[in-house]
Amino acid sequence: NAGVTQTPKFQVLKTGQSMTLQCAQDMNHNSMYWYRQDPGMGLRLIYYSASEGTTDKGEVPNGYNVSRLNKREFSLRLESAAPSQTSVYFCASSGNIPLTLNSPLHFGNGTRLTVT
Amino acid sequence: AQKITQTQPGMFVQEKEAVTLDCTYDTSDQSYGLFWYKQPSSGEMIFLIYQGSYDEQNATEGRYSLNFQKARKSANLVISASQLGDSAMYFCAITLKYDKVIFGPGTSLSVIP
Repeated sequence: NAGVTQTPKFQVLKTGQSMTLQCAQDMNHNSMYWYRQDPGMGLRLIYYSASEGTTDKGEVPNGYNVSRLNKREFSLRLESAAPSQTSVYFCASSGNIPLTLNSPLHFGNGTRLTVT
Repeated sequence: AQKITQTQPGMFVQEKEAVTLDCTYDTSDQSYGLFWYKQPSSGEMIFLIYQGSYDEQNATEGRYSLNFQKARKSANLVISASQLGDSAMYFCAITLKYDKVIFGPGTSLSVIP
């Protein structure tokens, strides 16, 4: 099994450009997540989706949009990239069944994004 | 507001010694899950241990144990018999209702030979 697959691995954007980060999981998980990781700040939740057809804001949603295309795929879009969005982005999924909170996250390998 | 605090940005431990990494959390949820993850310098995230909010016994997984003090909202990770390969970033995380998962800022652990 591939687990959680993120593309691309690296990306350089100019300020104002747009791009979409793709994420797919093959574990039949209900929940999917997007995080950004910056030095000293840990992983901050951007958006998450607890089931197909639903999305919710996390801690730092401004400047981002998401789409839960189907159960497998959860994409993150930057409409107008800013230097403050330079970061490492992680997609993750979780196999929690409703009302259980004991399933760990499975992570993709990350996307290193630089906005100049 | 929901928040995870890890007050130790960096820790050093001698090889073969035990080390405790602190984690406190803030939530009004009655039901939640607490997790610890390891991130080596290679960047991948590795799940270490889980504790449920209603679990009365502290969780253990090999050399990892979780010192859970619910009244203090504390979930410290104890690593026994540290190894050089334990050098990494360690993150505490909480799963809340509706599957929201938030992380703390992390602790960088360095194991000294």
